[in-house]
Amino acid sequence: GAVVSQHPSRVICKSGTSVKIECRSLDFQATTMFWYRQFPKQSLMLMATSNEGSKATYEQGVEKDKFLINHASLTLSTLTVTSAHPEDSSFYICSARGTSTNTQYFGPGTRLTVL
Amino acid sequence: QKEVEQNSGPLSVPEGAIASLNCTYSDRGSQSFFWYRQYSGKSPELIMSIYSNGDKEDGRFTAQLNKASQYVSLLIRDSQPSDSATYLCAVSEDSNYQLIWGAGTKLIIKP
Repeated sequence: GAVVSQHPSRVICKSGTSVKIECRSLDFQATTMFWYRQFPKQSLMLMATSNEGSKATYEQGVEKDKFLINHASLTLSTLTVTSAHPEDSSFYICSARGTSTNTQYFGPGTRLTVL
Repeated sequence: QKEVEQNSGPLSVPEGAIASLNCTYSDRGSQSFFWYRQYSGKSPELIMSIYSNGDKEDGRFTAQLNKASQYVSLLIRDSQPSDSATYLCAVSEDSNYQLIWGAGTKLIIKP
């Protein structure tokens, strides 16, 4: 149980384009989903927290207009990196927690490369 | 500022020995404690959660929690080369469900 999928696993795009990453909880309803970013050899950095049907809460320093998060259902959240630039290249990981628990289950991650 | 601290390592342990990973946290209100394992280039995977003082065992893994001293540890018995990874400690106070993450300890199991 507690499986989270993420799609795509890897994406390469040109500078200035937008990229959408999907995160799905496959066997449970995700009350909250979290989006993280991780640069090589660095720690996980929480970008934002989203609850189903509500606006996401962004961490300090994360541009909400650049990283659009939608959590339209209890099993799906999306992160759209708008007007991507090479400095946005990173490993983006989502996690999800179910109701009445704070255990987070992670998706496999999406490696974004912006040329 | 709520903090979770771990020794970054690397911690080198011979195969078959016990690996001991430690974590301290600053927020006394913390209620839930987690250990995740992250292989290079992969996302974190949950190893264990612990909520009460004392030991919790799951196979070769034992988590130990001491709330009075504000530390949580992870013991790995009979260490295998496949245990080589970065181990992340995470702590939650439950009220907002966010996890406060340590920077991780890199563990190397030498054959």
